[in-house]
Amino acid sequence: DAGVIQSPRHEVTEMGQEVTLRCKPISGHNSLFWYRQTMMRGLELLIYFNNNVPIDDSGMPEDRFSAKMPNASFSTLKIQPSEPRDSAVYFCASSYLAGDPGTDTQYFGPGTRLTVL
Amino acid sequence: SQQGEEDPQALSIQEGENATMNCSYKTSINNLQWYRQNSGRGLVHLILIRSNEREKHSGRLRVTLDTSKKSSSLLITASRAADTASYFCATIQGGSEKLVFGKGTKLTVNP
Repeated sequence: DAGVIQSPRHEVTEMGQEVTLRCKPISGHNSLFWYRQTMMRGLELLIYFNNNVPIDDSGMPEDRFSAKMPNASFSTLKIQPSEPRDSAVYFCASSYLAGDPGTDTQYFGPGTRLTVL
Repeated sequence: SQQGEEDPQALSIQEGENATMNCSYKTSINNLQWYRQNSGRGLVHLILIRSNEREKHSGRLRVTLDTSKKSSSLLITASRAADTASYFCATIQGGSEKLVFGKGTKLTVNP
């Protein structure tokens, strides 16, 4: 298995531009997570999906952020318009949740390093 | 807020020595996980310990859990330079289904 695939690996954009990050989870997994990692705030969960349905988006910082999961093999995280404070590494992770929350092993992608100038 | 808080924030040791990292949490948990992150990479799951377990081993890793003190420790024995990474504990935050990660311990193993 190729693992969780994220694209692009690096993105440099100017303030105000739209940014779309993509994720392909591991086949067979039913949960997908988007995280943001910065030095100041550590690893923050932005949103997670179970069976393609958004379960908790309370970590999404503001309306400029949106995420979709149109099918079990693809998800996007969109920032529109982007701001310099959005600069971070964004990780996608997937898991197979069969029991209680927190019992699943999350498999992380390599991340997308976003720089907003 | 961070459910798990690791300490120390940074740890530097020589190859062959043991490394111990600690994690404290605030609310009751069902289980606790440890992950490793190599520089510039995603996190990798290491081990999960359930609330009814006190100790668990996996290779050179030993994890303990003390629910009365709301703390866990990760011990890496006979460390290697390849163990250089950041180590995170993660737990479910009370009343939620979200796995919350601490800020991690940055371990440097010097050859």
